[in-house]
Amino acid sequence: RKEVEQDPGPFNVPEGATVAFNCTYSNSASQSFFWYRQDCRKEPKLLMSVYSSGNEDGRFTAQLNRASQYISLLIRDSKLSDSATYLCAVNHRNTGKLIFGQGTTLQVKP
Amino acid sequence: DTEVTQTPKHLVMGMTNKKSLKCEQHMGHRAMYWYKQKAKKPPELMFVYSYEKLSINESVPSRFSPECPNSSLLNLHLHALQPEDSALYLCASSLTPDWSQPQHFGDGTRLSIL
Repeated sequence: RKEVEQDPGPFNVPEGATVAFNCTYSNSASQSFFWYRQDCRKEPKLLMSVYSSGNEDGRFTAQLNRASQYISLLIRDSKLSDSATYLCAVNHRNTGKLIFGQGTTLQVKP
Repeated sequence: DTEVTQTPKHLVMGMTNKKSLKCEQHMGHRAMYWYKQKAKKPPELMFVYSYEKLSINESVPSRFSPECPNSSLLNLHLHALQPEDSALYLCASSLTPDWSQPQHFGDGTRLSIL
């Protein structure tokens, strides 16, 4: 079993839709959580850190559920420009190593 | 625009060549990282430098040799690479090596081994 797992998708949604991705992690020592966005043949760009209390940045909302060991990303009012691969990443207190999920591909259609 | 700069953007080399990848950041970050990413896969950690000292080597073959000349620069020296080493090589940095700090990536060097 992979340490960080995501549904690879693709998720095909119309413009304006709300879409949610989940990411599960298996190591309970995981302490920091992040969502990155990666466009085709580009570098990962930090989208947001995920805090225990949940956090929102415009149309994007991230949540952390430690009991069930997953993080989520909600995108409201999807835009064509949101089409990308969304990578969750988990960092461990013990190792300081950032572990990525395999990414979820989102395609927003007109 | 990314604040972590990588050069070159593309590199094609033969298996007997020696080349170096360079990474630079001027954000005052004290942790720097090398990742390897194959197509349709997530980035995989190779090395971590913490305050200019190598702190993590993820059992990377010796044909990859990292170097951190100062707090702003990170190099990856390549020698006798194999075709399977063809990938996108990403440099990243974070304010400190603390696990809570997000990492910021450069736009990568796309490496092809002939």
